[in-house]
Amino acid sequence: KAGVTQTPRYLIKTRGQQVTLSCSPISGHRSVSWYQQTPGQGLQFLFEYFSETQRNKGNFPGRFSGRQFSNSRSEMNVSTLELGDSALYLCASSQAGSATNEKLFFGSGTQLSVL
Amino acid sequence: DQQVKQNSPSLSVQEGRISILNCDYTNSMFDYFLWYKKYPAEGPTFLISISSIKDKNEDGRFTVFLNKSAKHLSLHIVPSQPGDSAVYFCAASAPYSGAGSYQLTFGKGTKLSVIP
Repeated sequence: KAGVTQTPRYLIKTRGQQVTLSCSPISGHRSVSWYQQTPGQGLQFLFEYFSETQRNKGNFPGRFSGRQFSNSRSEMNVSTLELGDSALYLCASSQAGSATNEKLFFGSGTQLSVL
Repeated sequence: DQQVKQNSPSLSVQEGRISILNCDYTNSMFDYFLWYKKYPAEGPTFLISISSIKDKNEDGRFTVFLNKSAKHLSLHIVPSQPGDSAVYFCAASAPYSGAGSYQLTFGKGTKLSVIP
């Protein structure tokens, strides 16, 4: 079974631009979550999607948005990029994301650098 | 307000000895705890988990202990091997009050170095 696939692996943008990151979950997984990892800050929850609906959102500004398609693939978008948005963006999938004993399976991430 | 804390940013251990990684949490609603391991340029991979109804869970060389009264959990790796060198993240989950979704709250990680 293929794992979680994220594209692109690396991205360089300049301040003010926008960016779209893509994630394909494990086949059969319907829940997709996004996390931001910055040095020394651990993983910060961005949002979670299930059946094309955002069910949960972390404490990030409205510049961060996402969506999920009918095939469970997900995209996240960051508009008006700021230097502080430079981070590793991780996508994770799980089967239903509704039980408290579900494990998340992570992709390798997209390393975004904002210059 | 950091709900999951890993107070040791780094830990060095000799090969063959025990590695103990610690994690504290503040949210009493957390009922499931996980440890993830992360190598550079890769996503975190699930290592081991424990439900709040247990106080210990073992999987090969890895054991997680949970002390609910102290809101503390620890990961023991015995014996430690050079391939265990990675960043270890502690994570916790609680039921989301919305439509059944849940999220993981992560600590900042502990970088483990196992010296041959």
